[in-house]
Amino acid sequence: NAGVTQTPKFQVLKTGQSMTLQCAQDMNHNSMYWYRQDPGMGLRLIYYSASEGTTDKGEVPNGYNVSRLNKREFSLRLESAAPSQTSVYFCASSGQHIDVPRRGQPQHFGDGTRLSIL
Amino acid sequence: QQPVQSPQAVILREGEDAVINCSSSKALYSVHWYRQKHGEAPVFLMILLKGGEQKGHDKISASFNEKKQQSSLYLTASQLSYSGTYFCGTGPLGGSQGNLIFGKGTKLSVKP
Repeated sequence: NAGVTQTPKFQVLKTGQSMTLQCAQDMNHNSMYWYRQDPGMGLRLIYYSASEGTTDKGEVPNGYNVSRLNKREFSLRLESAAPSQTSVYFCASSGQHIDVPRRGQPQHFGDGTRLSIL
Repeated sequence: QQPVQSPQAVILREGEDAVINCSSSKALYSVHWYRQKHGEAPVFLMILLKGGEQKGHDKISASFNEKKQQSSLYLTASQLSYSGTYFCGTGPLGGSQGNLIFGKGTKLSVKP
C-alpha cells in the first residue's frame, strides 16, 4: 500500500521556468491538500480539494495553480517560478467518515518534493 | 491565526518527560498532532475532538481543553525514537472545512 506518492522528489529550476508537481493517493480519500514547508514556518496550506471536481485556495495560493485530475490525483503547477518559491512541498490526503466531519480525519502525507529555484 | 506552540525546542535525556503546548486564538473543533523526523514527511499521531477528551498512544498522550482553546502533548519516559519536530494542527469550530492550521513546531531532541 503506497499511500501518498509525490513526484519528483527533487527539482532545480531557473527563475521563470514552469513545472508541475504530481501527487497520487491510493486510499480512496476524498480530500487532498498541497502544503509548503519553509524553515521555522511550519506547514502552510497552498490549495486544497475537498472532493473530486472542487479546488479552493488556502493560506498562500499566489503563484500556484492546481488541478484535481480525478479522485486519486492532485497536481500543483508553478507557472513562472520565483526564488521565493524555493521550499519543500508536501501533498496530503484525508478520508471522510459518515459520522465525523473532514476536520476530524487524519491527514496522510507524501514524502515531499524539494524544490530549488535559482 | 496560526496556533502558538511552546516551547520552540526542548532537549531531554532518555527516560525524561516532556510537555508540548498548543494554543489557539480561535474556537476549535479538533486538534491534530503530527511528528516529523528530519528529512521525512509528517506522521499522524492523534486527533482530539471537541469534548475535552484525552487520548493515549503508547507513552504519548494528549489533552484538549476546548474552553481554553489549548491542547497539550505529553511524552513520558522519552525514547531516542521520540526525537523530531512536533506540530499541532488546529481545525476550526465553524464551517465544514477539513483544513488545518499548523503551528510552527516544537523540536524535541532526546539524548542517550
